[in-house]
Amino acid sequence: NAGVTQTPKFRILKIGQSMTLQCTQDMNHNYMYWYRQDPGMGLKLIYYSVGAGITDKGEVPNGYNVSRSTTEDFPLRLELAAPSQTSVYFCASSYTDGRTQGFFGPGTRLTVL
Amino acid sequence: SQKIEQNSEALNIQEGKTATLTCNYTNYSPAYLQWYRQDPGRGPVFLLLIRENEKEKRKERLKVTFDTTLKQSLFHITASQPADSATYLCAPLPANRLAFGKGNQVVVIP
Repeated sequence: NAGVTQTPKFRILKIGQSMTLQCTQDMNHNYMYWYRQDPGMGLKLIYYSVGAGITDKGEVPNGYNVSRSTTEDFPLRLELAAPSQTSVYFCASSYTDGRTQGFFGPGTRLTVL
Repeated sequence: SQKIEQNSEALNIQEGKTATLTCNYTNYSPAYLQWYRQDPGRGPVFLLLIRENEKEKRKERLKVTFDTTLKQSLFHITASQPADSATYLCAPLPANRLAFGKGNQVVVIP
């Protein structure tokens, strides 16, 4: 079991560029989440999904898009990168909702210049 | 709106003592509450889950309490060790969402 994997580990983008952060889990989890964490701050929920084909907004969805076409994959899309999106992005998954533990990926460190 | 509050100041504690962290939440009634540990540059790691009908849960040197009347959870690390130095996050869980407090840093001094 690889758990939750994220790619890339690091990325530098120029303002206005687009990119997709990849997240894959091999635990057959229904729930998946994307967070961002700014330096010295907590995790903020961007989007989450309760199953393939179902996504919903978290606290800070503006500037991001997601899709969930399979149980395993939950990519996060940045369409027009802005300096305010400089952050560390974590993907997580859980089998169900709060009754089961969350598993986190190693994170993607994104810098927008 | 729903709020999760953890003390933003780092807790410095002598090795061997008990560290106690507080998590308060407002404007909702979670049925479950989870605690995680996060080391610098790494993703959070699950530690404990407690249900609303459980007053206390233990795992090795960790103990969590859940007071639904006070809307508060306490997280204790007994006989603390330098390896326990990390940030600890609480997640009082509404349905469908894994949302966290800002975390509370613990520094265990040898």
